[in-house]
Amino acid sequence: AQTVTQSQPEMSVQEAETVTLSCTYDTSESNYYLFWYKQPPSRQMILVIRQEAYKQQNATENRFSVNFQKAAKSFSLKISDSQLGDTAMYFCAFMKQREYGNKLVFGAGTILRVKS
Amino acid sequence: GAGVSQSPRYKVAKRGQDVALRCDPISGHVSLFWYQQALGQGPEFLTYFQNEAQLDKSGLPSDRFFAERPEGSVSTLKIQRTQQEDSAVYLCASSFQGLAGGGYEQYFGPGTRLTVT
Repeated sequence: AQTVTQSQPEMSVQEAETVTLSCTYDTSESNYYLFWYKQPPSRQMILVIRQEAYKQQNATENRFSVNFQKAAKSFSLKISDSQLGDTAMYFCAFMKQREYGNKLVFGAGTILRVKS
Repeated sequence: GAGVSQSPRYKVAKRGQDVALRCDPISGHVSLFWYQQALGQGPEFLTYFQNEAQLDKSGLPSDRFFAERPEGSVSTLKIQRTQQEDSAVYLCASSFQGLAGGGYEQYFGPGTRLTVT
């Protein structure tokens, strides 16, 4: 079974600074996908960024980027120029590469607080 | 539709009552997932539909939990004889289809917060 571990229950960062959230996972699969989701206090889960395991290049989406280390099974999220609206719970998630039924396995989450 | 919608947003049930939670996925999305999220935790998979077929129900915690998607669009998660441990947020997610055509990203609804007293 796959497991996802987020070792930082809470993080805080000053507005405009950079913060990195950690995630490690355990799997015997060779093909899979990794995601970071954001869940603000309003509770709607929003996809932030995704990474295909077969791609060596790290994914980037505007201020969000990942550091994907496949051998180390590590998938960290870097948020640059942090904004107050980035305050949320962030979940790292794993998905097997299957034709269908590709459910997400989530970590326990990291609460990120951006301070002004 | 703009996104995945769920109703009700909040539900309070007395222990022993039956509840029904509704999910309206994004129009045209083939795959539909239900997750359970306990307070302060990550979501956990409950069940999966491809169109109207329930292909995976391995995450349902007991036989009190039942889900259906009879016409391949709207889905209902039913919990019979609710218990306090059923208190959680129930999230629905949909995706366009499986991997062959891409579109494997899951889009989530706002969830239903169930409180069992």
